[in-house]
Parts: sequence; C-alpha cells; structure tokens
Amino acid sequence: DAGITQSPRYKITETGRQVTLMCHQTWSHSYMFWYRQDLGHGLRLIYYSAAADITDKGEVPDGYVVSRSKTENFPLTLESATRSQTSVYFCASSDRGGSGANVLTFGAGSRLTVL
Amino acid sequence: AQSVTQLDSQVPVFEEAPVELRCNYSSSVSVYLFWYVQYPNQGLQLLLKYLSGSTLVKGINGFEAEFNKSQTSFHLRKPSVHISDTAEYFCAFYGGSQGNLIFGKGTKLSVKP
Repeated sequence: DAGITQSPRYKITETGRQVTLMCHQTWSHSYMFWYRQDLGHGLRLIYYSAAADITDKGEVPDGYVVSRSKTENFPLTLESATRSQTSVYFCASSDRGGSGANVLTFGAGSRLTVL
Repeated sequence: AQSVTQLDSQVPVFEEAPVELRCNYSSSVSVYLFWYVQYPNQGLQLLLKYLSGSTLVKGINGFEAEFNKSQTSFHLRKPSVHISDTAEYFCAFYGGSQGNLIFGKGTKLSVKP
C-alpha cells in the first residue's frame, strides 16, 4: 500500500532499554523527518534526512540515533530509553520539488511509554 | 530567531458558529505557510498552504486562511463549524529554502452541539 507507515504503533518499555521505531514510505520522497509530540510543546524535530546516508540533527536530538541506508526507511533508535522520552513520535516525508513542494506527509504515529 | 506563535491553546465553539484560529510568525525572510490538522489518535494532515500569489488561501473542509505580511499573520477561518471539525490545528512555516518546517504549539478546537 502506498503511504507512510510507522511501527510499532504502541510500545511500552523500561528505562535503559533500547527501542527502535520504524518508518517506511513508498513515494521515494527524498526528505524524511522524525518529530516528537508532547503536551505544551507541539511538534519538535528530532532528526531529519535529506537523502539516503545524509542525516542531520533537529531541535531535540539528544538520546536518539537515526540511520538511512535506504531511501524508503528511516528508523529512530533510543539507545537507552529514559522517562522523558515518553511521547508520541511521528515520522514524515517530503519531496521538496514539484507541486507537492514543502508539504509533509505524516505517519499515524508511535506512542512510546517508558516506565 | 524564527518562530511561530499560536495565540490560543484551546478554542471552544458551538456548532455552526464561525471560528478563527490565530497564528503569527517571526522571520526575516520570505516564508511558506501551512496549516495542518490532527484528528484524535491520528497523524497530521495538510489543511492548506500558502507559497505565493493570492493571500487568501482555501483549503479542505471549508477552511481558509489569509496571509498578512505586514502583520506577519496567517489566521485560519471557517464561517460555520461542524462537530467533525473537533481536532488540533497546527500552524507551521518554512523560513528560507534550506530551513525545516517550524510548528506552532497547536490549538485545540472543540466544537460543541
């Protein structure tokens, strides 16, 4: 199916554990993003990627690691989860060219709880 | 620094009443402006966008927004809301060709019967 999918949709983990959130898009969009959404903060950019093997930090990158070996995948890893990383995580993609320029398409989100 | 401010965190309104959700941005360069909507337990979806041209932009579901450069605003309006418009609305902008999308903190619209 065409679109952007995130997995898992819900995850409960414990402090100190490693967690990976997956993101897959089928449009071959060059740009991909990870945001976290927290009450009172709106959406904050964690990391983004302009193309395969090109990633860069956003506003709140500490405690997160990303990779992008293939254009369609952009996993987000919490190497040692902390309670402050309890949040809803959204993956998004964008094609900066063409009629859809600058429009982000979002996944449905991954709700992560760190106990 | 570039930023976007949504002046109201919550807006309650009765069904069929008009609504305006306010958004102001701060940028020294030309911007692209967006409104996104997030329904409960869903991701965000594009409502409308302003890239250039006419300052009045029409979007989906009867929403429209007006870009006002002098007031650095991009307020969202709908003349008559429905229960189904209950959602959180995010204003966002790109400031500069190499920048990333900057989001406001969101406005929760609650439409009551």
